[in-house]
Amino acid sequence: QLQLQESGPGLVKPSETLSLTCTVSGGSISSSSYYWGWIRQPPGKGLEWIGSIYYSGSTYYNPSLKSRVTISVDTSKNQFSLKLSSVTAADTAVYYCAGSTVPWAFDIWGQGTMVTVSS
Amino acid sequence: QSALTQPPSASGSPGQSVTISCTGTSSDVGGYNYVSWYQQHPGKAPKLMIYEVSKRPSGVPDRFSGSKSGNTASLTVSGLQAEDEADYYCSSYAGSNNRRVFGTGTKVTVL
Repeated sequence: QLQLQESGPGLVKPSETLSLTCTVSGGSISSSSYYWGWIRQPPGKGLEWIGSIYYSGSTYYNPSLKSRVTISVDTSKNQFSLKLSSVTAADTAVYYCAGSTVPWAFDIWGQGTMVTVSS
Repeated sequence: QSALTQPPSASGSPGQSVTISCTGTSSDVGGYNYVSWYQQHPGKAPKLMIYEVSKRPSGVPDRFSGSKSGNTASLTVSGLQAEDEADYYCSSYAGSNNRRVFGTGTKVTVL
């Protein structure tokens, strides 16, 4: 079955770019049966949708983050990635990558990776 | 986009039922039958419990059920068990640009 695993730096300096990768196993990232997304959760707080990417390459972002977010796919590595620019302490959170095999919901989740923004 | 509104907490004794509400607007919950519910235990990733308002993924017990009326969706957990103690989040498709929005979260305590 599909499995997801996030990877990337756990510490990012303010004003720099946060970069995370999600490796997909057990299925093809370019399959039309799936789409992918990133969700984050600040410590002690709720979930926030960051954005999604479809097999076609179409991307959709949270309007509140849109100017700073880029989600892309690398089909050769079966990975998709998140870049969040100009980070501040408010971007400190657990970042989850997720996949969807059912309509309009994320049923496959990575374990999450904690990213701290600090100098 | 504003988060969907959930009560901060809910509780029930083992065997009882608990219902969690999720209130949005006609632009999200009320406008589409694309409400989902997630269960999250401390330190763990969320787990999908309900999608498309009332459908259960394979493996989710039928003690979990979902419904919707107008701009408010609900998750009911029947026959509460100790392992149901967790945080629960609703989510909805929010229209243009395939936006998604999550709820504020509800902590369910099994007394």
